[in-house]
Amino acid sequence: QVQLQQWGAGLLKPSETLSLTCAVFGGSFSDYYWIWIRQPPGKGLEWIGEINHSGGTYYEPSLKSRVTISVDTSKNQFSLKLSSVTAADTAVYYCARVTGSGTYYFDHWGQGTLVTVSS
Amino acid sequence: QSALTQPRSVSGSPGQSVTISCTGSSSDVGSYKFVSWYQQHPGKAPKLIIYDVTKRPSGVPDHFSGSKSGNTASLTISGLQAEDEADYYCCSYAGTYVVFGGGTKLTVL
Repeated sequence: QVQLQQWGAGLLKPSETLSLTCAVFGGSFSDYYWIWIRQPPGKGLEWIGEINHSGGTYYEPSLKSRVTISVDTSKNQFSLKLSSVTAADTAVYYCARVTGSGTYYFDHWGQGTLVTVSS
Repeated sequence: QSALTQPRSVSGSPGQSVTISCTGSSSDVGSYKFVSWYQQHPGKAPKLIIYDVTKRPSGVPDHFSGSKSGNTASLTISGLQAEDEADYYCCSYAGTYVVFGGGTKLTVL
């Protein structure tokens, strides 16, 4: 049974750096891609970016200058850093597993972390 | 890249069928067979219900089905049940990025 468990600071001040980590339990970590998605309050899902097998990353262009996704294969964990946050970054952030290679979908999700940016 | 276009809301009575459309472009939905659909109940993480346009993951009831024509994908829910009331999001792979639809709220009357 695959489980994703995520954690990180839930309250930030403007200009601070958002930092979240997602631990993966079960399955083969290196066989999948890993992704971060966010959902502003009352709004839809937004793709932030992903990291693939070889550490290659793809980011949403509007966030690219502020986002870093990294992976620690020794711990089966991956992380999100988003710098210089503003109120517009307030959202529930989800980590998820990507099944790619001839297909593409998110089959396992973390529980979500509400991150609020407020002075 | 722009978000995929979904109706904001749809509704139906128990036992009826509803279809949710998801319109993209030739850069995303029209070029790839990697369209997926997610169901989200309030306060919960999204759940995969359709992938690769038409495929259902193990454990997803067969009254959910997907299709695609050109730049528009569709999710059909037949035999509506009370527990189907939720938000539904489409998603398309587009090479170097991923795009979601704005979401559709399904109300079971």
